[in-house]
Amino acid sequence: EIILKQSPATLSLSPGESATLSCRASQSVSSDLAWYQQKPGQAPRLLIYDASNRATGIPARFSGSGSGTDFTLTISSLEPEDFAVYYCQQRTNWPLTFGGGTKVEIK
Amino acid sequence: QLQLQESGPGLVKPSETLSLTCTVSGDSISRSTYYWGWIRQPPGKGLEWIGSIYYNGNTFYNPSLKTRVTLSVDTSKNQFSLTLSSVTAADTAVYYCARNYCGTTTCYTEYFQHWGQGTLVTVSS
Repeated sequence: EIILKQSPATLSLSPGESATLSCRASQSVSSDLAWYQQKPGQAPRLLIYDASNRATGIPARFSGSGSGTDFTLTISSLEPEDFAVYYCQQRTNWPLTFGGGTKVEIK
Repeated sequence: QLQLQESGPGLVKPSETLSLTCTVSGDSISRSTYYWGWIRQPPGKGLEWIGSIYYNGNTFYNPSLKTRVTLSVDTSKNQFSLTLSSVTAADTAVYYCARNYCGTTTCYTEYFQHWGQGTLVTVSS
């Protein structure tokens, strides 16, 4: 099973600041990685697929990068609605696995 | 517009079987590019993939649950279902059904774009 480790666990930032979230895989997942956003009481929302492609309707302030074992989600200028928990997910090997999440909270 | 809705008991006794159904509206469950999955989330914790099923009935299960999980599709009702046997308190979670992501020209099997609202299942006597 591929383990995804996300860091930091919590990121405290102010609106307008930039956020950088990390996801590290226990073995190479090539570019088979997605990022999701989840707000309290809601289902996850797909933001990024194949490491760097924005899903339909996702604002340009969200960007993904990386390949192999190290990946980054960047939110260029935090909007109030961006404060949430973010998860990465790999699809290279079964079982599909998710990282433990990074909470982006208002400072 | 595609909608997914989970349904089933919110309370299950230990050692019994959890059964959930996901009703799909707004599109056909039988399209060859669609791939349906179940993901769960214990209260306050992260996401765990349970398993996935293709339109043709092919299934993929998380090995950690494989001996207890069965997924099935009912195309006549536009539904797919999850059963999880011999449940314990560790199976208490919000259970989501989901469908894969389809962009403008390509569908991606193992990324999930469309999700149900989730249903909380508590295992307790």
